[in-house]
Amino acid sequence: DAKTTQPTSMDCAEGRAANLPCNHSTISGNEYVYWYRQIHSQGPQYIIHGLKNNETNEMASLIITEDRKSSTLILPHATLRDTAVYYCIVMGSINTGTASKLTFGTGTRLQVTL
Amino acid sequence: NAGVTQTPKFQVLKTGQSMTLQCAQDMNHEYMSWYRQDPGMGLRLIHYSVGAGITDQGEVPNGYNVSRSTTEDFPLRLLSAAPSQTSVYFCASSYHSTYEQYFGPGTRLTVT
Repeated sequence: DAKTTQPTSMDCAEGRAANLPCNHSTISGNEYVYWYRQIHSQGPQYIIHGLKNNETNEMASLIITEDRKSSTLILPHATLRDTAVYYCIVMGSINTGTASKLTFGTGTRLQVTL
Repeated sequence: NAGVTQTPKFQVLKTGQSMTLQCAQDMNHEYMSWYRQDPGMGLRLIHYSVGAGITDQGEVPNGYNVSRSTTEDFPLRLLSAAPSQTSVYFCASSYHSTYEQYFGPGTRLTVT
């Protein structure tokens, strides 16, 4: 599985967009980018995933560069409840015949402030 | 749906004691897994199961046993607790290992 690099921590003002970067320069062509978050003491929560096209859902947007070596998770209007550790994970998929297991790193600690 | 449930929420054990952490899901998911999370660390995979009767080891399986007799339940057994097993344990389930995973609320285990 490709390794990922994320900043250790970031701050964001409430109401502003939070842009969380992730580098995955060794990603292979059939690996997906997944994002999960963990709010203090709770189990991780799935946010979004993508292969090469940008993706959007009710929680966030995922922007993947054309060369797929990096991506950005965007929370468009961050609130205090978005304070959490955000994990960027690269993983194969059953859809591409490269199924593998979810492997968590240490993630980015996002602090949303008033 | 209750989702993924875990019991107990908290547990204190003495070194050498054994116990079983319970995990259940009502979403008819084939894939279930156990993770541990130590302070300031990411989650590490202990064991996983791709269906009833099938289990396999993850990254840190030593000191733990699992079995999967039904689709719904995936208990984690600590054979002889050690202080190094003090951690928060999370159970997760999904339709497949690479699909969106749903996590339980966790069990906080302290071994003295």
